[in-house]
Amino acid sequence: GAGVSQSPSNKVTEKGKDVELRCDPISGHTALYWYRQSLGQGLEFLIYFQGNSAPDKSGLPSDRFSAERTGGSVSTLTIQRTQQEDSAVYLCASSPGTGVAGELFFGEGSRLTVL
Amino acid sequence: AQSVTQLGSHVSVSEGALVLLRCNYSSSVPPYLFWYVQYPNQGLQLLLKYTTGATLVKGINGFEAEFKKSETSFHLTKPSAHMSDAAEYFCAVKKVGAGNMLTFGGGTRLMVKP
Repeated sequence: GAGVSQSPSNKVTEKGKDVELRCDPISGHTALYWYRQSLGQGLEFLIYFQGNSAPDKSGLPSDRFSAERTGGSVSTLTIQRTQQEDSAVYLCASSPGTGVAGELFFGEGSRLTVL
Repeated sequence: AQSVTQLGSHVSVSEGALVLLRCNYSSSVPPYLFWYVQYPNQGLQLLLKYTTGATLVKGINGFEAEFKKSETSFHLTKPSAHMSDAAEYFCAVKKVGAGNMLTFGGGTRLMVKP
């Protein structure tokens, strides 16, 4: 597609369940970023990929969070044993590279609600 | 380390009035600065960016921002607000180095009154 695509757009789950959030970046974009947007917390950086490698995982809140990217394209963010504080909108962005002047193109996000 | 502060989590203006959204940055190196807009239930869209060169940057939808190094500011302005400008606005600075990810300010919700 023309833009960054994320799925599901909405996910309601029960505490303790695992969830997977998917990001399909713009074709040809080598850099991919995950952010979390929650009330009162603004936009938090989670992780970024250059190709299939994740050089910086410093933003992942706990070891329940993991992410992978395959084929230099689609990325999956997995949250294990979800907690209520994981409720947020998870935003994915992609960029043609990691150059400093480059723009990040954002998807519409996946809204996660943990009951 | 780079960081961004947006003054005012909520700003309300009347339609036709000047819009001024404030952003101050902290950076030990020349910054790369961005303004994004988020409409309800949508992702973030780039309004404008400053990298190098001219300090007055023009963006989409009539917005512009001026980079002022002496004031470490990058305030966003629009001469005349439209109802359609109601949204949340985020200032961001590029973390120069590996990954060059964006560090965002807390956001400012702009409300436009008829």
